[in-house]
Amino acid sequence: DAKTTQPTSMDCAEGRAANLPCNHSTISGNEYVYWYRQIHSQGPQYIIHGLKNNETNEMASLIITEDRKSSTLILPHATLRDTAVYYCIVRPNNNDMRFGAGTRLTVKP
Amino acid sequence: GAVVSQHPSWVICKSGTSVKIECRSLDFQATTMFWYRQFPKQSLMLMATSNEGSKATYEQGVEKDKFLINHASLTLSTLTVTSAHPEDSSFYICSASPSFGFQRIRQETQYFGPGTRLLVL
Repeated sequence: DAKTTQPTSMDCAEGRAANLPCNHSTISGNEYVYWYRQIHSQGPQYIIHGLKNNETNEMASLIITEDRKSSTLILPHATLRDTAVYYCIVRPNNNDMRFGAGTRLTVKP
Repeated sequence: GAVVSQHPSWVICKSGTSVKIECRSLDFQATTMFWYRQFPKQSLMLMATSNEGSKATYEQGVEKDKFLINHASLTLSTLTVTSAHPEDSSFYICSASPSFGFQRIRQETQYFGPGTRLLVL
């Protein structure tokens, strides 16, 4: 029961913004949107999460549509080290985290 | 903050032996820890939820007698792969959720360990 839909892969030029979309049209009112990334052969790294307001931290920005059916993760200035698989996950707080296939982002010089 | 460690980082063992993997939350306490498995070119699959002081909850299709989980303290959970076979070769990853909020560590967020690569010959 996939709760999110993401593109399989995306490319981005180094130094440009990377915009990763996620569709979660069946999201419930108590479910948050989480973003993690996994660099090859490492554990997932937390990036950001939000409920309905847009969020920003030192790593990224999260834009959630007003109807909450989709969101976009923005890496403002992508570097080669941002090459990874990015996972968008929806879940209520304090529940287990279930991963979909994610988006493989390749940042190119 | 929010560091989760795993030991060992990789292990090679013979078929039929048992392997124990440790997961520790280094700078926070975690009532709940989670164990995942990831095969090559696939996503993470949740195996079980580990609660401190109680029995783990296993996902459908995961054999509880083969994957023994112990969560004896608020900072340590262990996964033992018993009588390992080559098909158990995988990347095992744990995660932990803080029991209560710390500055810069969000209680509602899971933090992941670096993973343990198991190869069963």
